[in-house]
Amino acid sequence: GAVVSQHPSWVICKSGTSVKIECRSLDFQATTMFWYRQFPKQSLMLMATSNEGSKATYEQGVEKDKFLINHASLTLSTLTVTSAHPEDSSFYICSAKGTVNEKLFFGSGTQLSVL
Amino acid sequence: TQLLEQSPQFLSIQEGENLTVYCNSSSVFSSLQWYRQEPGEGPVLLVTVVTGGEVKKLKRLTFQFGDARKDSSLHITAAQPGDTGLYLCAGEGSGTYKYIFGTGTRLKVLA
Repeated sequence: GAVVSQHPSWVICKSGTSVKIECRSLDFQATTMFWYRQFPKQSLMLMATSNEGSKATYEQGVEKDKFLINHASLTLSTLTVTSAHPEDSSFYICSAKGTVNEKLFFGSGTQLSVL
Repeated sequence: TQLLEQSPQFLSIQEGENLTVYCNSSSVFSSLQWYRQEPGEGPVLLVTVVTGGEVKKLKRLTFQFGDARKDSSLHITAAQPGDTGLYLCAGEGSGTYKYIFGTGTRLKVLA
């Protein structure tokens, strides 16, 4: 089956630093990737839709200058949390939609803790 | 804004009991998916339903998509401790390929 690799799994950083999270589709091309965040014991909230070669579309309330998304190739999308603060601590998950079928494949998530 | 409300939010039952989780919205979805998520991991797809009224079975799990494609249900028969987890429904807006997740149902099955 299709695999989406997300890296890193865990990251701890100091307040004010930037953190980059990678999402790779390993055995399929993904023209569209999605980024979610999930607070403890809550559901996934869609942050943005990332399309290869174009600007990401952000959901209402998500700061595009704080959460930079780059989808430079058909297999890689990155989310950079800039000037991270403790309130940005969360579980971030990406998903990728294959070009062949309509299925959505999820990465294993990244737990970000900002001190 | 499309919202998906799940009920119940929390459910703790004994092994062998049956349960139903509901996913409701006022919006129409072109497809709806059910996921199960373990702590610290990404969601794992259980099923996708596309047609109004569609019923799909996956071993002890039965999924139904409402006739109007606005709601769905997940029924688990003879629950087992291994069914414990966070169950999420996710609806796809028509033609958007964008999935909005439900509020989640946290299930705990006691041995």
